[in-house]
Amino acid sequence: EVQLVESGGGLVQPGGSLRLSCAASEFTFNNYAMTWIRQAPGKGLEWVSVLSSGGDNTYYTDSVKGRFTISRDNSKNTLFLQMNNLRVDDTAVYYCAREAGYGGHSYQWYFDLWGRGTLVTVSS
Amino acid sequence: EIVMTQSPGTLSLSPGQRATLSCRASQRISSYLAWYQQKPGQAPRLLIYDASYRAPGIPARFSGSGSGTDFTLTVSSLEPEDFAVYYCQQRSKWPLTFGGGTKVE
Repeated sequence: EVQLVESGGGLVQPGGSLRLSCAASEFTFNNYAMTWIRQAPGKGLEWVSVLSSGGDNTYYTDSVKGRFTISRDNSKNTLFLQMNNLRVDDTAVYYCAREAGYGGHSYQWYFDLWGRGTLVTVSS
Repeated sequence: EIVMTQSPGTLSLSPGQRATLSCRASQRISSYLAWYQQKPGQAPRLLIYDASYRAPGIPARFSGSGSGTDFTLTVSSLEPEDFAVYYCQQRSKWPLTFGGGTKVE
């Protein structure tokens, strides 16, 4: 089955770190750009970061720049999000998602396959 | 940052009725807009991209329109499984941004 499965969430104190993983199955992972999108409890969606298929281009939302790092291991079909210096307002379900690929060789930044998410809670 | 504003916040309708959801961008975004559906406890699902193109497997009762700053998602006849929260997303400029959502109940 074509799917994404996130892991690595949990409870962490403010200032702490977590590393999220997203395992991809049954599609050619290294052909797709990937993203992390989060959703605070009871709130809407917030884009966090994207990474190109080859891992050479990244973008981040301003609130996580310098604290979060997106990366991938195409040999293991896995996407990562290293989160450092976590804040209470980083509390959310973190989804990984696949760029849809409708643009052929150019990214369109729409997301057609999502994981079920992993909950990150930042609290003392 | 481009701010996406969705209205109404909640839409109260019955099965079989037509749903019309709006999304407004704070600056022109051409047709670079997607719509997603999210049900409780589930991940979002891509419905529409580039304002008016249905994603694969999306029923024809879902349609999108608009360009520039004003966009509409229409569900022609609501099925029971369509009651959910809908989000718009722009990809015209970084950062990618979502609207706050419209709940169809």
